[in-house]
Amino acid sequence: KNEVEQSPQNLTAQEGEFITINCSYSVGISALHWLQQHPGGGIVSLFMLSSGKKKHGRLIATINIQEKHSSLHITASHPRDSAVYICAVSGLSYNTDKLIFGTGTRLQVFP
Amino acid sequence: DGGITQSPKYLFRKEGQNVTLSCEQNLNHDAMYWYRQDPGQGLRLIYYSQIVNDFQKGDIAEGYSVSREKKESFPLTVTSAQKNPTAFYLCASSIGASVGQPQHFGDGTRLSIL
Repeated sequence: KNEVEQSPQNLTAQEGEFITINCSYSVGISALHWLQQHPGGGIVSLFMLSSGKKKHGRLIATINIQEKHSSLHITASHPRDSAVYICAVSGLSYNTDKLIFGTGTRLQVFP
Repeated sequence: DGGITQSPKYLFRKEGQNVTLSCEQNLNHDAMYWYRQDPGQGLRLIYYSQIVNDFQKGDIAEGYSVSREKKESFPLTVTSAQKNPTAFYLCASSIGASVGQPQHFGDGTRLSIL
C-alpha cells in the first residue's frame, strides 16, 4: 500500500462543475502539498498546508490531520484546469524536506 | 524572474552511454532534488543536496550520480549502469533544510533510449 493514496485516478468534468480530488496518507506529516502538472510536464506548487483550509482563486485545499486526509476543490471548473494534480507529504523527519508523492489525479475539463 | 531551468527538454541516449541532465536555479535555494517520474507511479527521489559540496542518495540512486560544486547547479548523470533510464526527470529546489518547505520544480527532461 502506498503511503500517499489519491482518488480518483482519472476525472472528467464539464466546464463549470465543482470538482473534488482526495488524498489520504498513512504517515505522520509536517505538511501536505498540492501540485499541478501540466501536459508539458512542468510542475507548479499550488498549496502547502499543515492544518485547516487555504484558498487561492477558484482552488480550495483542506486537511484533516486526525483523519489523515486532504481534499482539493476546484469551483467553476474551466478547460484550462485540465492537468494532473499531485498530492505530496513532508514526513516527520528532521533536517530535510523530502516529499512522498501520490500517483496523481488526471483531470480533464470539457467545454 | 527567478526559477529553475532544466536542459535539454528531450534527450536520447544510446545504450552504454552516460548522459548528463542540467539543472540550474537562481532562487538562492540551498536544497536541490532530482526526481524520476514513470507512468502510473508517483515521483521518486533519486538524489538530493541540502548544501553545496554535499549530497545524499534518495530512494532510487543506483545507476545515477550527481555533483553540487555550485549552489545554483545540480547536474544529474545517468550512467550506463542504469538499466531502465527511459523516464521523465524533474529537478526541484527549496529554501533549505527545514521541514515542510515548498519545492519549486523545473519543466523536466524526457530521456529516451535509442
